[in-house]
This record gives sequence, C-alpha cells and structure tokens, in this order.
Amino acid sequence: EADIYQTPRYLVIGTGKKITLECSQTMGHDKMYWYQQDPGMELHLIHYSYGVNSTEKGDLSSESTVSRIRTEHFPLTLESARPSHTSQYLCASSESGTSGVKQYFGPGTRLTVT
Amino acid sequence: KNQVEQSPQSLIILEGKNCTLQCNYTVSPFSNLRWYKQDTGRGPVSLTIMTFSENTKSNGRYTATLDADTKQSSLHITASQLSDSASYICVVSDRGSTLGRLYFGRGTQLTVWP
Repeated sequence: EADIYQTPRYLVIGTGKKITLECSQTMGHDKMYWYQQDPGMELHLIHYSYGVNSTEKGDLSSESTVSRIRTEHFPLTLESARPSHTSQYLCASSESGTSGVKQYFGPGTRLTVT
Repeated sequence: KNQVEQSPQSLIILEGKNCTLQCNYTVSPFSNLRWYKQDTGRGPVSLTIMTFSENTKSNGRYTATLDADTKQSSLHITASQLSDSASYICVVSDRGSTLGRLYFGRGTQLTVWP
C-alpha cells in the first residue's frame, strides 16, 4: 500500500466556490502528479512537479492551479468551481529518474459541482 | 500520436475462470509497459512492468506478455477471484522526455461473478 493520501475523498459543492484538494506523501518522492479521470476514460495529466517550487502544466488544459512548497505536499486549487470540473482527481508520486519510474497513486477525490 | 488501446472495454467472467486482457500501443520510443489494477473508488496500483527485452512476467495469478515488435501486450488472469473485479489499465512510458511521460489506456472493466 502506497503512503500517499488525498482529502477529501468525496466533495459536493456549488458553482463558484473555491476548493482545495489535498495530496500528501510520506515517501520523500521528488516528483508528484495530478490526474483527472472521467468514468470509463483514461487518466489525463493536468499538473506535475519535479520538486519544491517546481510546477508545470500537463497535457490536459485545466483551470486549476497547484503549489509545491514542501516535498510531501502538492495541493490543487480551483478558484471558482463549475459543473464542468466534476470528475475524479488522482494524485500520484514517484522517485526521481526518467522513463519507467513507478508512480504511486492516492485513493482519489471524487468532485461533484452542482 | 502516441496512443494506448485496450480491449475488451468490459468483461464478465465466472469465479475460477481464466481471462486475457489486451493492450495495443503506438508509443514511440518505447521504454516500458505497466499493467495497473484500479479498484472502484481507489487509485491504480501497479501489477507488473515489462521492458523492451522482456516477453513474459508473472505476479501470482497475473501473467503479462509483451511483443515489442507488434506493440502488443496481454494480461492473463488465472483462476479468477471475486477480488479481481476491477479496472485493469495498460500504461506505456516513452523514452523521449525527462518526465518519463505515461500514456494511459481507458482500461478493461473486469467483473467476476460467483
């Protein structure tokens, strides 16, 4: 079982609210990732980080933002949630290295915006 | 365009039976291929990793094969159990970036009935 945690697990909020999805890992991994996954669809990378103070946008355009102030913490923020943001958000981390490093996934946050 | 295609999309089998899931990819340059198991409401967990030179690898009742020439992989599950019910995701990594970019299939939803 991976030592990577996400809170909340489920969240239902109204349109226009600001939300922060929390992700933390205790493995000391430098690389962390946020994915978005809709039912029956593949995971899409929306943000990643190589380490503290390093963040990059992923393949899928997202209105969310991330920060990496501490190695173990990689929160994702939506300033104004919309129904189109309804999805599952998965956080992952991996050791440093290039191709093929194993990513460890958190349990996910299921977000519903009404 | 790098892609990962999985088949079938969904599969129902009886407990104790065997099954085989397929994965075709076009990712290049290829680094490795992983099979992940994702239980409902959880994050994916890595089952096996296949590198270019490996043809077969087993992990308990799971056996993965790789044909790098035809760019095909399969995951064979032997003597299925109810706990095998999950989505099985094929993930291919390329060698073209320091991020070690991952390409995800949409998964095969396996249901094992008693």
